[in-house]
Amino acid sequence: DTAVSQTPKYLVTQMGNDKSIKCEQNLGHDTMYWYKQDSKKFLKIMFSYNNKELIINETVPNRFSPKSPDKAHLNLHINSLELGDSAVYFCASSLPGVQFFGPGTRLTVL
Amino acid sequence: TQLLKQSPQFLSIQEGENLTVYCNSSSVFSSLQWYRQEPGEGPVLLVTVVTGGEVKKLKRLTFQFGDARKDSSLHITAAQPGDTGLYLCAGAPAGTALIFGKGTTLSVSS
Repeated sequence: DTAVSQTPKYLVTQMGNDKSIKCEQNLGHDTMYWYKQDSKKFLKIMFSYNNKELIINETVPNRFSPKSPDKAHLNLHINSLELGDSAVYFCASSLPGVQFFGPGTRLTVL
Repeated sequence: TQLLKQSPQFLSIQEGENLTVYCNSSSVFSSLQWYRQEPGEGPVLLVTVVTGGEVKKLKRLTFQFGDARKDSSLHITAAQPGDTGLYLCAGAPAGTALIFGKGTTLSVSS
């Protein structure tokens, strides 16, 4: 039933490690996104994909690499994790004008 | 530069009180959206306002889009503890990705 799902829900890791977050949507949408929400709750777009093609990359460090194996999946791989990467990461998919968010992945870098 | 400014940032009220949250910009938006985010969840779309001067009602929530399409407000009548959450306004400047305000954290106590 879940429209946009993310795994894992929580991720605790050491600085310098590499980690991935997976996202899947069963809504049939063409467009998917990754957002980062910081400790002050500010939500900012990182990437946008349309039909597996990258269309927006909002000056995110190249340690972050999104991958879209198909229209329903958009995964986020992060290399060499830093303390400042600690945040909640949200995946979303959309119809024009309406975004549907996943439940978020809380990443803590120690 | 913060394109969408929300105020107040925090609001703590008693059950039954009324409140208004504001979302202001110096830019014109073709539409503005309001989302509510509960702890541990992703934002959920409440409403989209499109026409300048438009007023939309969702039960006890009233949303208004300014005549010049630069601002919006959310008014809650007789707030209830279930209204507690983070309220986010969002808009997409022409041809760009959705941007969010910094949010208003509402706490309604019984």
